[in-house]
This record gives sequence, structure tokens and C-alpha cells, in this order.
Amino acid sequence: GAVVSQHPSRVICKSGTSVKIECRSLDFQATTMFWYRQFPKQSLMLMATSNEGSKATYEQGVEKDKFLINHASLTLSTLTVTSAHPEDSSFYICSARDRDSGGALNEQFFGPGTRLTVL
Amino acid sequence: RKEVEQDPGPFNVPEGATVAFNCTYSNSASQSFFWYRQDCRKEPKLLMSVYSSGNEDGRFTAQLNRASQYISLLIRDSKLSDSATYLCVVYGGTSYGKLTFGQGTILTVHP
Repeated sequence: GAVVSQHPSRVICKSGTSVKIECRSLDFQATTMFWYRQFPKQSLMLMATSNEGSKATYEQGVEKDKFLINHASLTLSTLTVTSAHPEDSSFYICSARDRDSGGALNEQFFGPGTRLTVL
Repeated sequence: RKEVEQDPGPFNVPEGATVAFNCTYSNSASQSFFWYRQDCRKEPKLLMSVYSSGNEDGRFTAQLNRASQYISLLIRDSKLSDSATYLCVVYGGTSYGKLTFGQGTILTVHP
């Protein structure tokens, strides 16, 4: 089956630092990847849609200059949380759509998530 | 109004019980519907799609009522391993092309 990995799985950093999270599709090519954020006891909220070779599309209320997304290849998208603050502490999850599977457009494969704690 | 609303629970049931979860969605243009399961500190995993005709997968039965914009999940003969958060998910509608998640319903099955 389609596998998506994320790295790191967990990160603790000081306020003001930048953190990069990688999302990789391991056995398929993904033209589209999605970045979600989940606060405790809340649902997953889509932050942005990342398209290979083009700029990401951000959801309303998500600062594109704070959450930098790069989708430079068909298997890798990165999310950089710039100048992280304690309120950015959350569970960040990526998902990817298999370009060649022929599956439904709604089919997404989720990474295991990255838990970010900003002190 | 939230696009997808669920009763957050928690539901605490004994093994072997039958439990039902409900979900409503706000946009009638929504195209596809799913139930996902999320274990603590893990990513969500697709449990099953939901069709208007109703569909069953073992102990799990999902129903969709488009007229009422209502989705349900029934779990029969609950197992300890069913303990998780169940997410109602909608594709299309307001957020076209994207999955919209409900806040989830917490289920705990106890011995």
C-alpha cells in the first residue's frame, strides 16, 4: 500500500526558532500533498495544499509567511514553521494523493504526524 | 456553523455493546463521505466510505441520508480494540477538492 513518512516524528524547540518538517511519499509519486494541524481534542484542520512545482494554496487564516511550504519533487514536501511560538505547538500531519493510482480524488494517504512543542 | 459536526462524546461502553455515532454536514454539495479512525497521537486511518444505500463492513455499518445531510456509524459487538476517536469526514462541498474533518467522537470500550 501507499506509504507516507514524516520526519521528525517529534520536535521540541525554543521560541523563536524555525522548524522544518518533511513529508515523503515512499512508494508513489504525489503531485498534491496536504498539510494539516491538530490541536488537542480538536479535529484536523487543513492548513494548505501543496502542489509539486507551484506555490502552495493556503487556507483562510493561515499565514503563508509563517508556514513555508516547498514541494520541490514528486515525493517530498516540506513545511517550515518560522519563528515558532508556544501557540504553534500542535500535531502536524501531512497527506498525499497518488498521482498514478487512478483512485478517487478524495483518496489521501496520511503520514504518521509530527508533534511540535515550542517552549 | 461548522461544516462537519459530531457529538464529541465521550462514549464509554462495555465490550459487546452496540454504539452509534452521528454526524451532520452543512453543505449539500458535498460529494463523498467517510469515517476515519484515529488512535491517540496517531494519524487518522480510513475506516470506511459511506454510501446512500448504506454499507457494512463486518461489525461496522455506515449510513448516509443526503436529504437530512446526516451520516451515521454503527458498531456492533464492541471490542476493546475499537477504543479510538472516530472522525466524520466529508469531501467536496464548501472546501471543494479537500477533506473536511469533524472534531471526532471519542469511544472507550471497557471490559
